[in-house]
Amino acid sequence: QQPVQSPQAVILREGEDAVINCSSSKALYSVHWYRQKHGEAPVFLMILLKGGEQKGHEKISASFNEKKQQSSLYLTASQLSYSGTYFCGTEIPEGGTSYGKLTFGQGTILTVHP
Amino acid sequence: KAGVTQTPRYLIKTRGQQVTLSCSPISGHRSVSWYQQTPGQGLQFLFEYFSETQRNKGNFPGRFSGRQFSNSRSEMNVSTLELGDSALYLCASSRLGTAATYTFGSGTRLTVV
Repeated sequence: QQPVQSPQAVILREGEDAVINCSSSKALYSVHWYRQKHGEAPVFLMILLKGGEQKGHEKISASFNEKKQQSSLYLTASQLSYSGTYFCGTEIPEGGTSYGKLTFGQGTILTVHP
Repeated sequence: KAGVTQTPRYLIKTRGQQVTLSCSPISGHRSVSWYQQTPGQGLQFLFEYFSETQRNKGNFPGRFSGRQFSNSRSEMNVSTLELGDSALYLCASSRLGTAATYTFGSGTRLTVV
């Protein structure tokens, strides 16, 4: 039931691009993306809903393939501040609603070097 | 606008003791969810409260419990602590509704010795 993220780790130079994938075996209602820096709270980046609606940060984009239950997060022109662990959290409708539950992937560690 | 506040930030407890963690959600947010984060298991859902009612529960033993007050503040309690309970405990609040998002607090780092 836990979504699978890939890759597990990415190392970039400033200015390079990266794609992080999140795949679920269950039908999803929404996908949430977070970034967490060491010792800090996960910070919301993006939400993608079944049906196409999405909202999030201007410099980060994402896609959601409802047929494949897959989401991808696109980080372009990476900056040092992009470093951290990225998590996808999925909402799986159970009896009509997920009631506040996100099921998270194992995380992707992104490191950006100067 | 104040964020989600969790107290205390750090705790050290002995096996067998019990602990209570507190979470104050963003003003206007009535849903509070709790998660356990460990290096081995990642982020795992504990439970969710809305209007003082537990609406959802993860796969954790009964030693883990929680409650929510009328002002939406929430507490979680872990009784008979085990070494494996050492983790970062995070709470997240939400306004709910379509495209609802969850805002996390900075967490409570619990160490059981």
